[in-house]
This record gives sequence, structure tokens and C-alpha cells, in this order.
Amino acid sequence: AQTVTQSQPEMSVQEAETVTLSCTYDTSESDYYLFWYKQPPSRQMILVIRQEAYKQQNATENRFSVNFQKAAKSFSLKISDSQLGDAAMYFCAYRSAYSGNTPLVFGKGTRLSVIA
Amino acid sequence: NAGVTQTPKFQVLKTGQSMTLQCAQDMNHNSMYWYRQDPGMGLRLIYYSASEGTTDKGEVPNGYNVSRLNKREFSLRLESAAPSQTSVYFCASSVIPGHSTNTEAFFGQGTRLTVV
Repeated sequence: AQTVTQSQPEMSVQEAETVTLSCTYDTSESDYYLFWYKQPPSRQMILVIRQEAYKQQNATENRFSVNFQKAAKSFSLKISDSQLGDAAMYFCAYRSAYSGNTPLVFGKGTRLSVIA
Repeated sequence: NAGVTQTPKFQVLKTGQSMTLQCAQDMNHNSMYWYRQDPGMGLRLIYYSASEGTTDKGEVPNGYNVSRLNKREFSLRLESAAPSQTSVYFCASSVIPGHSTNTEAFFGQGTRLTVV
């Protein structure tokens, strides 16, 4: 079974600075998807960014980018120019691409605080 | 476009009571899921349904039952609630891998359940 590990339970960053959240995963598969979700205090789960394993290019979405290292099974999220609204729980998730239906497997999350 | 709708948003139960959490999606997704979120534990899969008429156990199925009523609806039932089931419950849906580039799960707003 696949596992996802987020080794930083809590992180903090100064407003306008850059922060990187870590995620590693364990799998024997070669084709899969990786995601970062944001959960603000509203509790809503919001997709931040997705990465297909077959794509070597790192995904970017505005101030959010990932560093995908397939051989190292690492998928970190970089947030540039941090804003107060970025304060939230962030979850890394894995999904196999092989089976007809594969649920997402989540890490335990990293709580990000943004300091004004 | 409503996406994934869960009801209720909040519920307090007494130990031994039963209840059903309702979930519906209007995105024509085949796959639906129930997760629970506990502090420090991330999101853990309770049950999932690959398609109408099929259901499978996830990581933490004990004490729960599910019904995939039709393609749109997937309900979660607690037959005899226990304090250990105090949690936030999320319903989610997704396409099957390979059928779209948007392979992420779309989430409802969650249900905060307290069992006293």
C-alpha cells in the first residue's frame, strides 16, 4: 500500500517570504498523480496544484510551485510571496493511475502560519 | 454548479444513536469516497465506491456502513455511534484515472460530528 509522509507538522513564514513544505511518498508504481490541497479554517478542501508522474516538468500555479523528484519520491510545495490568506493546513496526496478506481492517500498535514 | 453537497454540516449524537450522512455530486463522477479527519491523522479513507452498485472498505471501516444509491449519491451510516467516531467527515468524488486530466478528488464542505 502506498503511504504519504509529511514530516513537518507545523511551519511558519513571514509575509512576502518563501516557504517550502515537504512531502515524501512510498510506492512501487511508476504512473501516478500527486496533489497538494489547502484547508483553511473554513474546513473546505481546496486543490492547490497537481502533478502527473509521467511529466518531468514541475507544475506551477501562480505563486505555488512544486519540486517533483521522482527517483527520490519527493514532492515539495513552494509558496512564494506568502500572503496572510495562505495560512492553512496543507495536505499532500497520492493517487495511483493504474486501477479503475483508486482513492487518494493523504499525508497527515502541515499547518502553515503566516506572520505579518 | 454545486459540486459535492454534504448534509448535515454539524451534528451531535448520543452514544448508541444512529444517523446517516448524505452526499450528492452533480459532476457525473463515477467514484465517490468517505474520509474522516482527526487532529494529527490527516484524512483516512472509510469506504469508497468505484461506480454505482459497488463499494469497498478503506482504512477505517469499522462501525460504518455505506450505500451507493445511484451515480450521484453516496451515504454513510453510523448504526450505533461511539465517542471514537467524533470527527470531521468528508465526502468526495472523482473521475476514474485515464478518463480526464483532472484526476483530483472534489470535496464536500464536511460534517463535524460529535458523539457524547
